[in-house]
Amino acid sequence: DAMVIQNPRYQVTQFGKPVTLSCSQTLNHNVMYWYQQKSSQAPKLLFHYYDKDFNNEADTPDNFQSRRPNTSFCFLDIRSPGLGDAAMYLCATREQGYGGYTFGSGTRLTVV
Amino acid sequence: DQQVKQNSPSLSVQEGRISILNCDYTNSMFDYFLWYKKYPAEGPTFLISISSIKDKNEDGRFTVFLNKSAKHLSLHIVPSQPGDSAVYFCAASRRWNNDMRFGAGTRLTVKP
Repeated sequence: DAMVIQNPRYQVTQFGKPVTLSCSQTLNHNVMYWYQQKSSQAPKLLFHYYDKDFNNEADTPDNFQSRRPNTSFCFLDIRSPGLGDAAMYLCATREQGYGGYTFGSGTRLTVV
Repeated sequence: DQQVKQNSPSLSVQEGRISILNCDYTNSMFDYFLWYKKYPAEGPTFLISISSIKDKNEDGRFTVFLNKSAKHLSLHIVPSQPGDSAVYFCAASRRWNNDMRFGAGTRLTVKP
């Protein structure tokens, strides 16, 4: 089945230790998103790719970076995780011209 | 700046009754609205959408109503079933824009 896959489902990292979350898709959608969701809050858009064009939200911390080496894969790099970065990170894709997103199951990040 | 608001964090209804989930938005540029459903440990899944040229869209037991003048939309589930118990997110965007803003979600519990 075509889908959006996020690995790992659960990630524990040490304070200040770089961590990478991954997202892959078999839908061949050209738009990919990363959202951060903290408990009981709305998912917050961090950045998105329109094909290879990177779009950063104005309030996304510099600590967060992203890479999209090809259509299928997108990575979220957190250079120096702080306790406040503990959250669920959601990857989503969208085909150009359609409004609905397809989400992955998310990666829950814990910072210790 | 939360542009999409779901003011009820939780809702409990009896099986067979109607569930009404509400959502308000502040950005008058939004012209496409969606509802997503999220089960624990899974990513959000698309449920139903509505364009601003309509005021109602129906899909089986699910109906979304849009009141543009009030910047308000609602999701009606009739009849409610225990399997509908989940967190429901309201989202809004400009259709051809990559920016989708989410509400914080409403946790629906349908009691048998």
